[in-house]
Amino acid sequence: QVQLQESGPGLVKPSETLSLTCAVSGYSISSGYYWGWIRQPPGKGLEWIGSIYHSGSTYYNPSLKSRVTISVDTSKNQFSLKLSSVTAADTAVYYCARHVPPFDYWGQGTLVTVSS
Amino acid sequence: EIVLTQSPATLSLSPGERATLSCRASQSVSSYLAWYQQKPGQAPRLLIYDASNRATGIPARFSGSGSGTDFTLTISSLEPEDFAVYYCQQRSNWPPTFGPGTKVDIK
Repeated sequence: QVQLQESGPGLVKPSETLSLTCAVSGYSISSGYYWGWIRQPPGKGLEWIGSIYHSGSTYYNPSLKSRVTISVDTSKNQFSLKLSSVTAADTAVYYCARHVPPFDYWGQGTLVTVSS
Repeated sequence: EIVLTQSPATLSLSPGERATLSCRASQSVSSYLAWYQQKPGQAPRLLIYDASNRATGIPARFSGSGSGTDFTLTISSLEPEDFAVYYCQQRSNWPPTFGPGTKVDIK
């Protein structure tokens, strides 16, 4: 069974960088597929942030591209998200997911609040 | 980017009734459309991919149809656990985009 688990700080200060990691179990990232990040502001809909292919190629949402970096560490079977210069608008539940496509396995999500 | 619109925003039905949810794309997405279910406090769950294929473990009461710009998710007979928010998502073009969701609540 494929499982994903997000981890990282739940509180980030404005203008700083949000950093999250997604640990994958039950499937080797290096075997294939994309691996993505999706976020959901409280009470709102879903927004794709970006995805990384198992080979390392990255794809970002144009609306966030200037602030997003996604990387993969196949030795640890995990991938990571960095979002720079955060504001209150970046407060959301952040999900990682296997991006076949579509998004077939999801982590439980982690709430990140941007506040001083 | 491709914009997805969903209707209605809210659907109020009783258990046992049939639910019909609509998703419309701003341009053709062929059959590259998926449906997800999300319950409060939970991650979305994939129900349907490529317009009409049920994901692993999804009950037969869920079915999807459509192609091009107009798609439908049908729940043939609502079970208590089906009351949730449903999102459509296209993978025809980058970036992948989601619709705003339809909430199915208990009448």
